[in-house]
Amino acid sequence: DTEVTQTPKHLVMGMTNKKSLKCEQHMGHRAMYWYKQKAKKPPELMFVYSYEKLSINESVPSRFSPECPNSSLLNLHLHALQPEDSALYLCASSQDEGQEQFFGPGTRLTVL
Amino acid sequence: KQEVTQIPAALSVPEGENLVLNCSFTDSAIYNLQWFRQDPGKGLTSLLLIQSSQREQTSGRLNASLDKSSGRSTLYIAASQPGDSATYLCAVNPGNKLVFGAGTILRVKS
Repeated sequence: DTEVTQTPKHLVMGMTNKKSLKCEQHMGHRAMYWYKQKAKKPPELMFVYSYEKLSINESVPSRFSPECPNSSLLNLHLHALQPEDSALYLCASSQDEGQEQFFGPGTRLTVL
Repeated sequence: KQEVTQIPAALSVPEGENLVLNCSFTDSAIYNLQWFRQDPGKGLTSLLLIQSSQREQTSGRLNASLDKSSGRSTLYIAASQPGDSATYLCAVNPGNKLVFGAGTILRVKS
């Protein structure tokens, strides 16, 4: 299995909702990443997990809460989001930090 | 702070042409450089990875070069096809994340 999967593909939520994005890989990779991509812009790093521990938080607001339950799974918990948080959220993984990254198809999030 | 620039921002070529996309970066302390393709509304597909010790990589009609000392990389696409139409992103890896350029939007006309 050489792919990164993400669910759901699309998500619409209100500003008071709580939702979660999920990412899974079965390549034995030990580093996993969350990126945010606004329309017509490049992806921007949010979080890095290495060996199931948070290694980088790029000053992301606390309404985004990452979780790595095991080496194959990465979640992004969302709460009290703002309309400007609407974007494509991309998950990626790599064998280790500094190695080639493989991306999932993304979750298109719309906050109303 | 690492900055990545891609030129041109957009490119339109007739089918069959060879073309070159350019990427430059400000800090040569990188582990590797990746070229990606992104179709509208989709995720990123990795095209080529060049390690910092390498000068070039090839995959099919694609060839990527890296000159770390000058902070430049090029992606060469031979015999372009309409199916190559997409946004091409260059990203450098300083060790623990990818820093992306803004991308080149490529349109290949049939």
